[in-house]
Amino acid sequence: DTAVSQTPKYLVTQMGNDKSIKCEQNLGHDTMYWYKQDSKKFLKIMFSYNNKELIINETVPNRFSPKSPDKAHLNLHINSLELGDSAVYFCASSPLEENNEQFFGPGTRLTVL
Amino acid sequence: AQTVTQSQPEMSVQEAETVTLSCTYDTSESDYYLFWYKQPPSRQMILVIRQEAYKQQNATENRFSVNFQKAAKSFSLKISDSQLGDAAMYFCAYRNHELTGGGADGLTFGKGTHLIIQP
Repeated sequence: DTAVSQTPKYLVTQMGNDKSIKCEQNLGHDTMYWYKQDSKKFLKIMFSYNNKELIINETVPNRFSPKSPDKAHLNLHINSLELGDSAVYFCASSPLEENNEQFFGPGTRLTVL
Repeated sequence: AQTVTQSQPEMSVQEAETVTLSCTYDTSESDYYLFWYKQPPSRQMILVIRQEAYKQQNATENRFSVNFQKAAKSFSLKISDSQLGDAAMYFCAYRNHELTGGGADGLTFGKGTHLIIQP
């Protein structure tokens, strides 16, 4: 009964490849997010998405694209991977109510060689 | 844009003692939410405590409490009776009260404080 799950937990790949990270939440939440945590542990929002709107952090390269097949899933596709993309990527979800916390997935450690 | 600053990259405290982690933020909004998240070595992000800016009363959750000073834009976390399991990275985070568009607002995080508990 994991609330927010991500697959895979670890991903090692070569520069230039295209990869996807999957995220699923079984909490019935309306909104999902992707965050990037760099090597210095700094967490930064990449995308926020619900069935009405996708909000993209303007600093995110367009090689990154979220795809939501349904309300419970928000997958992250990354094209032409670069060394600097190595990081831990967290998916999160929250209800639409304003004061509710975000529930985080376990994170995916991406290593680009 | 909002910013969150944690000025202590690392803190150390003896087991059973009290420690305070500092956080300041910058915003032009009057209504917002503040959070402290804990990230142990397992890297799971765990909510410790949250505060609504319109509430004057400081939030408390068992051994964890905050000192929220709205005018000073300060939001410190106090951990009483520190335990070995409290060792982790602690992140202060901010979110607007007024949600944009369909309500999809992310958190703005500080850079974190690494808390070490000395046995």
